[in-house]
Amino acid sequence: AQSVAQPEDQVNVAEGNPLTVKCTYSVSGNPYLFWYVQYPNRGLQFLLKYITGDNLVKGSYGFEAEFNKSQTSFHLKKPSALVSDSALYFCAAVLNTNAGKSTFGDGTTLTVKP
Amino acid sequence: ETGVTQSPTHLIKTRGQQVTLRCSSQSGHNTVSWYQQALGQGPQFIFQYYREEENGRGNFPPRFSGLQFPNYSSELNVNALELDDSALYLCASSSEGSSTDTQYFGPGTRLTVL
Repeated sequence: AQSVAQPEDQVNVAEGNPLTVKCTYSVSGNPYLFWYVQYPNRGLQFLLKYITGDNLVKGSYGFEAEFNKSQTSFHLKKPSALVSDSALYFCAAVLNTNAGKSTFGDGTTLTVKP
Repeated sequence: ETGVTQSPTHLIKTRGQQVTLRCSSQSGHNTVSWYQQALGQGPQFIFQYYREEENGRGNFPPRFSGLQFPNYSSELNVNALELDDSALYLCASSSEGSSTDTQYFGPGTRLTVL
């Protein structure tokens, strides 16, 4: 069975500092990996995805993520956090042999303080 | 371009009742996925419809059923409601039923079962 873990329920950073939101996955096969952000009372918004190729993926709003196959990780990063980045972040994995069945982590709440 | 819409926004039902939730996919998309998001958890995949056919199903009982219409809008039906069915139900559309697709989420329907 595939699973996605976000080991930190909460991440707190100061505005202007770099941020990292961690994600590890456990799947048999080659997963495609996604990051989504959820604001209060809203659906999920796509940030970025890793399909193949360069391990560093750049996405929306200045976010990027690094795919590390040996560590089965896909951590989300941003060089300089904004207060408006405060939200709930979800990592998800999809197997190339199981179209549609996305497995999500339980989310990490990011709080950026001024 | 019209985004993903869901109706109703909120719904209150009692145990044993039946409910139908609706989703209109984004313009140009032929694939709809449904997710259940319990409080404090990540979305759990229920099923996906691609061109009116079920294209994958998660670990949900048969009382969760769905439909996709020729215009690619979709319904999620839940029979014999249980208290644990209380959750945010998210619909996501994508352009083709592929694992690499980016999913675009609607705002969700908040279902409360009393």
